[in-house]
Amino acid sequence: AQSVTQPDIHITVSEGASLELRCNYSYGATPYLFWYVQSPGQGLQLLLKYFSGDTLVQGIKGFEAEFKRSQSSFNLRKPSVHWSDAAEYFCAVGAIRIQGAQKLVFGQGTRLTINP
Amino acid sequence: DTAVSQTPKYLVTQMGNDKSIKCEQNLGHDTMYWYKQDSKKFLKIMFSYNNKELIINETVPNRFSPKSPDKAHLNLHINSLELGDSAVYFCASSQDPMGLANTEAFFGQGTRLTVV
Repeated sequence: AQSVTQPDIHITVSEGASLELRCNYSYGATPYLFWYVQSPGQGLQLLLKYFSGDTLVQGIKGFEAEFKRSQSSFNLRKPSVHWSDAAEYFCAVGAIRIQGAQKLVFGQGTRLTINP
Repeated sequence: DTAVSQTPKYLVTQMGNDKSIKCEQNLGHDTMYWYKQDSKKFLKIMFSYNNKELIINETVPNRFSPKSPDKAHLNLHINSLELGDSAVYFCASSQDPMGLANTEAFFGQGTRLTVV
């Protein structure tokens, strides 16, 4: 069965520091991978996605992620975080495509706290 | 313009009641979803409709009944509410005209349901 693991439940970094959020997936076929961000009391916003091609994907808000098939990973990175990046981050794999619908399987989420 | 909108944003109700959550999308998408986020922030798909047809139905109690009057709306009706139904419910939509599932889902702001 498809699954996504985000090993870090909570990460704290200082403003201006670099960030890496880890994501490992289990999926038999070529995965479609996503990172979403959820700010407090808000819905989920897509940061970036990987379907094929270049394994380094650029997203919004200065985020990037690298797909590594050999490690079944899709880690999210940002060179310098801002206080506004404090949020919950979810990695997801697109599994089971039926009649145009895609079932997203999410990781447990990583809560990011920014120290001033 | 809100792409995916849900009402209400907050819903507090007593056990045993019946309640509905409404969702509308103005993106012209054919596919809509309901996801549930539990108290540990874990997100799991419940249902998906494509052009008013139910195509994904996860293991959800039959007290939950989705209704899609047209492809822009997907409502969630819950009968005989239980304490364990307390969660945040997210509506989402996507469009996958090529059947490649390489498009992202757009999420609403969520409805926080509290059963007391």
